[in-house]
Amino acid sequence: NAGVTQTPKFQVLKTGQSMTLQCAQDMNHEYMSWYRQDPGMGLRLIHYSVGAGITDQGEVPNGYNVSRSTTEDFPLRLLSAAPSQTSVYFCASSYSTGANVLTFGAGSRLTVL
Amino acid sequence: GDSVTQMEGPVTLSEEAFLTINCTYTATGYPSLFWYVQYPGEGLQLLLKATKADDKGSNKGFEATYRKETTSFHLEKGSVQVSDSAVYFCALSHSSASKIIFGSGTRLSIRP
Repeated sequence: NAGVTQTPKFQVLKTGQSMTLQCAQDMNHEYMSWYRQDPGMGLRLIHYSVGAGITDQGEVPNGYNVSRSTTEDFPLRLLSAAPSQTSVYFCASSYSTGANVLTFGAGSRLTVL
Repeated sequence: GDSVTQMEGPVTLSEEAFLTINCTYTATGYPSLFWYVQYPGEGLQLLLKATKADDKGSNKGFEATYRKETTSFHLEKGSVQVSDSAVYFCALSHSSASKIIFGSGTRLSIRP
């Protein structure tokens, strides 16, 4: 099925560990993004990409790295996890930037102990 | 900068009640406006959108009208069902922008 695929769905880390959240889409979307969702905070943009080889910071980029080597994939890396990064993470993509509809993945729930 | 403000939840209604979830925005120019819905355990999905003033978006019995004069995009449904229980997000985006700005979300619970 076409869409946005995120892995893993659940992950528990210890403080200081590193990990990568994977995101892949098969819709040939140029725009991809990562959000985190926290209670009472809505969705906050972490990083986004407008095409392969191009990435930029959102409103809460600290502690996260991204890269976009292909159109399909947009992994999110946590280099040294902290309890403040406990959250639900969503990857989303759209055909292009601007007023286009986002397609979201099912989410990845991360707990940092 | 641009922002979206939604009514705080949770909102609890009985089945077949009338629903309104308020959304107002602050933005320059003429953004597009969206309502997304998140069902339990899932990602967000588009519910409806409007791209210019006075446009009405509609889907699954939900409606919202783009009101430029009051900078609002309130979500309404005439008769809610238990299956409408979800979190609803109002959002805006400019055609020239690379970001979509979301409100904080409103949790809706419908009692049978």
